[in-house]
Amino acid sequence: ETGVTQSPTHLIKTRGQQVTLRCSSQSGHNTVSWYQQALGQGPQFIFQYYREEENGRGNFPPRFSGLQFPNYSSELNVNALELDDSALYLCAYGAGGSSNYGYTFGSGTRLTVV
Amino acid sequence: AQSVTQLDSHVSVSEGTPVLLRCNYSSSYSPSLFWYVQHPNKGLQLLLKYTSAATLVKGINGFEAEFKKSETSFHLTKPSAHMSDAAEYFCVVSDSSASKIIFGSGTRLSIRP
Repeated sequence: ETGVTQSPTHLIKTRGQQVTLRCSSQSGHNTVSWYQQALGQGPQFIFQYYREEENGRGNFPPRFSGLQFPNYSSELNVNALELDDSALYLCAYGAGGSSNYGYTFGSGTRLTVV
Repeated sequence: AQSVTQLDSHVSVSEGTPVLLRCNYSSSYSPSLFWYVQHPNKGLQLLLKYTSAATLVKGINGFEAEFKKSETSFHLTKPSAHMSDAAEYFCVVSDSSASKIIFGSGTRLSIRP
């Protein structure tokens, strides 16, 4: 167990719907990042939050949005789901607002869009 | 701009023989480099990290990697493979000024009995 919890573990949604994925950590670390991992590929960075503010973003459209709460838990929201959004979504916790210390990953949420 | 290239999509070695997983990177700044391992249906686990200290980095489970700036490489090695090492391995480059990390496409390591 890594101490990073993601929910739900699996999810099936219909194209056009909206989805919210959740992530939390026991560590108290204040930096959380989200990744999309399509089948057979490496994770792609979506965005990062540090102390409730987004402080980095990858090449994802605005329909991918997030939140970080005062207890450092986080949500990833995806609007207007497309078939290509089907993937494993991973969150990871680190410290200090920077990616240089390495991250602790959760086991992911498997999203299927039909 | 940052990028990372894992030169082999699949590596197969016999149990007890050395492992070499190759990674080359590109970064505009002094990079931080990481290796992560992903076992089937599991999350990613940090093996080791380089953050501008010693160029030879030792990680968990007997893995190590050497940062070679002149070759822009950060290859992962292990002297003797174990069956439990079979997994997907990702090389990762980080640029703290961009607050983002870039994953390679991964190398699947298979271990033959």
